[in-house]
Amino acid sequence: NAGVTQTPKFRVLKTGQSMTLLCAQDMNHEYMYWYRQDPGMGLRLIHYSVGEGTTAKGEVPDGYNVSRLKKQNFLLGLESAAPSQTSVYFCASRRTSGRSKFFGPGTRLTVL
Amino acid sequence: GESVGLHLPTLSVQEGDNSIINCAYSNSASDYFIWYKQESGKGPQFIIDIRSNMDKRQGQRVTVLLNKTVKHLSLQIAATQPGDSAVYFCAENDNTNAGKSTFGDGTTLTVKP
Repeated sequence: NAGVTQTPKFRVLKTGQSMTLLCAQDMNHEYMYWYRQDPGMGLRLIHYSVGEGTTAKGEVPDGYNVSRLKKQNFLLGLESAAPSQTSVYFCASRRTSGRSKFFGPGTRLTVL
Repeated sequence: GESVGLHLPTLSVQEGDNSIINCAYSNSASDYFIWYKQESGKGPQFIIDIRSNMDKRQGQRVTVLLNKTVKHLSLQIAATQPGDSAVYFCAENDNTNAGKSTFGDGTTLTVKP
């Protein structure tokens, strides 16, 4: 099993550009999450999904949109990137009855 | 608001010594707590968890202690090795909340040879 994978690994955007981050998991997990991590800080929840076709806002959802069209994929979109969105983005998944989350390797995004 | 915080941002120990990483939490409704390890350039990795109705749980070389009276959580690593060097996060979870976690800011553990 590949676990949780994220693409791309790195990306540099100019202010105002858009992009989509892809998260995929092959563990048949129901729950999926998008977090951002800024230097010296813990992870903050952006959006999450409790199943295919469902999404919900987390702690810091502004400026982001998500979609969960397939159970194994969770997409994070930035419609108009801002320098404040420079961060490392982590995707995670979890079984419904599980407690721990499985994290992907992260996407390092820089917005100039 | 609710928060989970770590007492020290950095901790340096000698190889072979025991390490203790602390965490304070404020949400009394938390159902369980998890410790994650994050190595440089990687995502967090599960180490051990503990339910709120427990005081202690042991794993391989790691022990988590929970003191609900003072809302304190600690991770003890026995015989610390260079491979233990990483950032350690505690996270509190509420099972009524779709498994969302609140993470502390992390403690960077450095193991000196």
